[in-house]
Order: sequence, then C-alpha cells, then structure tokens
Amino acid sequence: SAVISQKPSRDICQRGTSLTIQCQVDSQVTMMFWYRQQPGQSLTLIATANQGSEATYESGFVIDKFPISRPNLTFSTLTVSNMSPEDSSIYLCSVREQGANRREAFFGQGTRLTVV
Amino acid sequence: AQTVTQSQPEMSVQEAETVTLSCTYDTSESDYYLFWYKQPPSRQMILVIRQEAYKQQNATENRFSVNFQKAAKSFSLKISDSQLGDAAMYFCASSPKTSYDKVIFGPGTSLSVIP
Repeated sequence: SAVISQKPSRDICQRGTSLTIQCQVDSQVTMMFWYRQQPGQSLTLIATANQGSEATYESGFVIDKFPISRPNLTFSTLTVSNMSPEDSSIYLCSVREQGANRREAFFGQGTRLTVV
Repeated sequence: AQTVTQSQPEMSVQEAETVTLSCTYDTSESDYYLFWYKQPPSRQMILVIRQEAYKQQNATENRFSVNFQKAAKSFSLKISDSQLGDAAMYFCASSPKTSYDKVIFGPGTSLSVIP
C-alpha cells in the first residue's frame, strides 16, 4: 500500500493570495490525482498529474487557477491561486495502487483550506 | 462517463444492529472496480471494501459485506454488529480497472451510530 504525506494539513489564507499544497508518496506512481471536497460534499476530481507532462484538468477547473507540478514519480504540488472564500475546501492528493490486482485509491490526510 | 448515486444522505443505526447503505452506478466500462470508502471526522479516506465487477461473489471484510447486483448496477454496503467507530461519511465509488484512471465518488451517506 502507498503512504501519502500531504502538507500543510490546514491553513487560513487571505483572499487574493495563493497556497501551494505538497504531496509526497513513498513509492513511484505513474498518476497522481488531486481532489477537492467542499464543505459537506463529496470528492470532485480537479486534475490528473502525470510526470513529465502537463496535468489533465476536469471540466470546471483550469490551469491558471489550479497550477500543478509533477517533477518526479513521487511528488506533486497543487497551487490554489488568487483565492476567494469559495475556495475554502479540503484538498486531497490520491494515487492508485500499482502492480497488484487491487487498484484501490490511497489518499493523503487532506489540506483544510479556509479563505478569509 | 461514470456516475455514482447514493440516495441516502443520512442514516442511523443502533449499536450492535445492522445497517445497509445503498449505491447505484452507471458506467460504460466492461470491467471495473467498485469501492466503499469511509471518511471519519479526521477526514482520512479509508477503504472499507472493494469489488471487482467480473467477480460474481460478493466481497466480505469482517463485519462489512456488499450486495453486488451487476445487471441492476447496484452496490450496497451492509454493516453488521455496528460499532460506535463506524460513525462516518461513507462514499461509494467506481473506477475503470486500470490504475491510470480516476475514481468517481458518490455524494456520500452520513452514518450515525446510536449507543
């Protein structure tokens, strides 16, 4: 199983600023996924990050607002840019299991972002 | 496209009793996985149980079991002998079988366990 370290675990930010969230995995993975969980809601996929190429964004999410880096097979960052109170959410990093025929998704502990 | 629906926003169960959480899904994939994830207040997503679509036998993990009805695209979770620690949000999810594909989550069911 994969162990994912995500930081910061929480932050309170001023509107108009940006926050970069880091995700470190203890094994090499091809794809990393970034999800947003708005208060009381389910998980919505923001983008899929593949090492060495530009991230693939889901409908409703754009690179200018959520730039993603994927410099190697164990690390990724998500930046929430020009924040507004509507960006207050939990942001989660996820990977899928590799190799064995299990394919479950593993998650970091999430970053709780509050924009004031 | 994949969609996952959970029609019960909230459920409650008495401690030691049994509860069933409902889930329906839609997918065009011929082979896929189905999952139930638990999210306690700590917000850590925890896998409860998984089912491979080509396997007809329902998955079981200790007190947790599923009723997988492939033709009906139904995937319910049964929790037996409910414990206080089972109180959490439960998300049904589906994914194509490759590890390169995203997991799609349902809206979730909030489960309360009454002592």
